[in-house]
Amino acid sequence: SQQGEEDPQALSIQEGENATMNCSYKTSINNLQWYRQNSGRGLVHLILIRSNEREKHSGRLRVTLDTSKKSSSLLITASRAADTASYFCATGRRGGATNKLIFGTGTLLAVQP
Amino acid sequence: NAGVTQTPKFQVLKTGQSMTLQCAQDMNHNSMYWYRQDPGMGLRLIYYSASEGTTDKGEVPNGYNVSRLNKREFSLRLESAAPSQTSVYFCASSEWTGSYNSPLHFGNGTRLTVT
Repeated sequence: SQQGEEDPQALSIQEGENATMNCSYKTSINNLQWYRQNSGRGLVHLILIRSNEREKHSGRLRVTLDTSKKSSSLLITASRAADTASYFCATGRRGGATNKLIFGTGTLLAVQP
Repeated sequence: NAGVTQTPKFQVLKTGQSMTLQCAQDMNHNSMYWYRQDPGMGLRLIYYSASEGTTDKGEVPNGYNVSRLNKREFSLRLESAAPSQTSVYFCASSEWTGSYNSPLHFGNGTRLTVT
């Protein structure tokens, strides 16, 4: 079963605009990670935010985490055509013997030049 | 560094045939994983190996077997392929034995079609 659900499923914006994607999850987590997948390629890790952090930045990326609402958002500022990709959140679950991440179904971002 | 290398890139099988997907990483990572990706389903974990010499089932292990050959290599075997196994298969690795605290590094996938 999926832990993370991204919203929206698809997003189309113009180059230079900001893109915001959201992720909701169901159970307590240790951390939440965001990945990018270009068409026909594997996933690439973007950023990891731990459960005791509220916000994290990496270049043009900003990630927020609200554990009370069980949700996270990924903001890409000043988007470029090269940002066109699918974006996935993945949650690392708290407790148990699971050594694995649970991925959501992704947001497909199209940045029009 | 090559990172995570998967072979083959593409494969077509007939129902009932068998094959092995190969994966190797050169980052000295402890943990390795096999995921499948289907449209609208995201990535689902098939099997993982927390460290050399151990393997464990993931979310969708039925119809698959794995071998952690050494620290670098982790293979996935389909003994009797079925059309439901048509998918894109990704191998990944991570530095720590607990993946929830470290990022995954992915290969570029094997696109498998079972007719």
